[in-house]
Amino acid sequence: KQEVTQIPAALSVPEGENLVLNCSFTDSAIYNLQWFRQDPGKGLTSLLLIQSSQREQTSGRLNASLDKSSGRSTLYIAASQPGDSATYLCAVPFSGGYNKLIFGAGTRLAVHP
Amino acid sequence: DARVTQTPRHKVTEMGQEVTMRCQPILGHNTVFWYRQTMMQGLELLAYFRNRAPLDDSGMPKDRFSAEMPDATLATLKIQPSEPRDSAVYFCASGLDQVVGYNEQFFGPGTRLTVL
Repeated sequence: KQEVTQIPAALSVPEGENLVLNCSFTDSAIYNLQWFRQDPGKGLTSLLLIQSSQREQTSGRLNASLDKSSGRSTLYIAASQPGDSATYLCAVPFSGGYNKLIFGAGTRLAVHP
Repeated sequence: DARVTQTPRHKVTEMGQEVTMRCQPILGHNTVFWYRQTMMQGLELLAYFRNRAPLDDSGMPKDRFSAEMPDATLATLKIQPSEPRDSAVYFCASGLDQVVGYNEQFFGPGTRLTVL
C-alpha cells in the first residue's frame, strides 16, 4: 500500500531564505510525482510534475527532484518570498492505478518579511 | 484560460437534506476525480471517471453518496441524506489520460460544505 509522508509539517522562515521541502513514498514503482500548492480556503494549484524517467523539473524559483530508488522527492524554493506562504503537497499515483493520486499531509509554509 | 469550475462554492445545510455539487472539467479532458479534504483525513479520493464511465468509487460511502457524469462537460456529486460528518471541502479535478504516466491533474476551487 502506497503511503506518502511529508516533512516538516510546518515551516516558518524569514524572507529570502532557500528552502527544502521533503516528500517520501513507500512504493517506488511510480509513474510520476506531482507537487501542488494550496492557499488557505482555495483549491490546489499544480506546480511541477516529474516523470519517473526524470530526475528533476524546474519552474522559476522552484526545483523538484525525484529519486525513485530511495522513495524521495524534494521541492527546493529559492529566495523565498511572503507570497510563497501556502501549504505544499506532494502526490504519487496509487500503486496499480496510475491515475489515482495518493497525497501527503502537506507542509505548511510561512515566509515572513 | 482553461480551468475547472465548481458550484456552489459554499453550502450550508441541515442534516438529512440532499446536497448536489457540480463540476465542469476542463474542455477536452477525459478524466474527472472527486476528492474530499478534511483536517483529520487530508485529501481522499471519492470517485474517478474516465471517458464519463465510473472506474473507481471505492472511497465513497455508497449508501448516501452518488457520482455521475451526465455529459462530458458536467460531473455531479450527490449526498442524500447529508450528515454532519460530511462537512468538508469537496474538490473536483480533471486530467487528460492519453499517455501512460502523464496524468497531471488540475483542481477546481472546491465546494465548502457544512452540515448542521
